[in-house]
Amino acid sequence: DAKTTQPPSMDCAEGRAANLPCNHSTISGNEYVYWYRQIHSQGPQYIIHGLKNNETNEMASLIITEDRKSSTLILPHATLRDTAVYYCIVRSPQGGSEKLVFGKGTKLTVNP
Amino acid sequence: DAGVIQSPRHEVTEMGQEVTLRCKPISGHNSLFWYRQTMMRGLELLIYFNNNVPIDDSGMPEDRFSAKMPNASFSTLKIQPSEPRDSAVYFCASSLPGAYNEQFFGPGTRLTVL
Repeated sequence: DAKTTQPPSMDCAEGRAANLPCNHSTISGNEYVYWYRQIHSQGPQYIIHGLKNNETNEMASLIITEDRKSSTLILPHATLRDTAVYYCIVRSPQGGSEKLVFGKGTKLTVNP
Repeated sequence: DAGVIQSPRHEVTEMGQEVTLRCKPISGHNSLFWYRQTMMRGLELLIYFNNNVPIDDSGMPEDRFSAKMPNASFSTLKIQPSEPRDSAVYFCASSLPGAYNEQFFGPGTRLTVL
């Protein structure tokens, strides 16, 4: 699976958009980008995933660059409850693709 | 929808004792995963099952760890004998079968081995 690189921490003001970057320069053409988050003392929670097109759901938007070497998770109006560690994960459709390999993630702190 | 259920939520035991962690996946989910989270190593996959069959146990740290899934609605992770370095939060997750289905995580079991 391709490796990902994320900043260790970020801050965001409540009500503003939070933009979390992820680099995955070795991603293959058939690998998906997934985002999960983990709020303190809870299990990880799925947010969104995409292949090459931008995606949006009720939680967030995912913007993937045209060369697919990086992506950005956007929380449009961050709240205090969005304070969490956000993990960017690349998944391959090959054998063992059910596995999620978590890196260190980005600790997002939303400030009042 | 009860989500993934894990028990106990907290376990404190002494070194050398046997520890059994339990997980009930979401009904209808055919894949089940056991993860361990520590400050040092982060979140790491220990083992996962598809249709009750272990598929990949390469993350199981050593022979002291074993996992079973006797039926579609129950799985156990056993540590025997336990050691202080096994102290961690253990998460169980389940998903529908397939490469791209999201995994739903349980609340975790916080294990402390004294």
